[in-house]
Amino acid sequence: DVKVTQSSRYLVKRTGEKVFLECVQDMDHENMFWYRQDPGLGLRLIYFSYDVKMKEKGDIPEGYSVSREKKERFSLILESASTNQTSMYLCASSLNRQAGASPLHFGNGTRLTVT
Amino acid sequence: DQQVKQNSPSLSVQEGRISILNCDYTNSMFDYFLWYKKYPAEGPTFLISISSIKDKNEDGRFTVFLNKSAKHLSLHIVPSQPGDSAVYFCAASDGGNEKLTFGTGTRLTIIP
Repeated sequence: DVKVTQSSRYLVKRTGEKVFLECVQDMDHENMFWYRQDPGLGLRLIYFSYDVKMKEKGDIPEGYSVSREKKERFSLILESASTNQTSMYLCASSLNRQAGASPLHFGNGTRLTVT
Repeated sequence: DQQVKQNSPSLSVQEGRISILNCDYTNSMFDYFLWYKKYPAEGPTFLISISSIKDKNEDGRFTVFLNKSAKHLSLHIVPSQPGDSAVYFCAASDGGNEKLTFGTGTRLTIIP
């Protein structure tokens, strides 16, 4: 069974802080993703990566960056946290590049509050 | 621009009856559609999918129907059970793309 682990369930940070959200998957999946979930907006893609050191912008990359130094680990970085980045952050992985045929496996999420 | 829309934020259904969740899309390039289920404090889990070459896919109590001309898909759950209470997201991708575009979700409540 695929396991996607997010390092924190809850985080509280102050405006302007640099924030790291970590995600590890244990099934040698090629693709990894960061989404945020907000009420009424569903899941929106921030960044994804289909290989080590590769990254692609999703639909809402502004204010975020990512790092993928190892295949199993994908980090989301908030360079200077702002209150509008308060959200539920979900990491996911998938086996190969064809998103439709290769379902996403999600972690349990990190609820980030920026005060 | 919301390319995948779930127009019902919530739905309540009696236990044992049929639950029908709807999803509309605007991008005619989408060719694969998926449904995910999410419990509180957990990540979404994959439920069922359908490719655009089919109009129906069934897995136990869950059936997804695709109407390409109307750009509409629906998820039927029969019979509905209390454990089906969750938020359901539909999602779509266009061929060979790594990205999934999600809808806004429908909260399903099964009433015992």
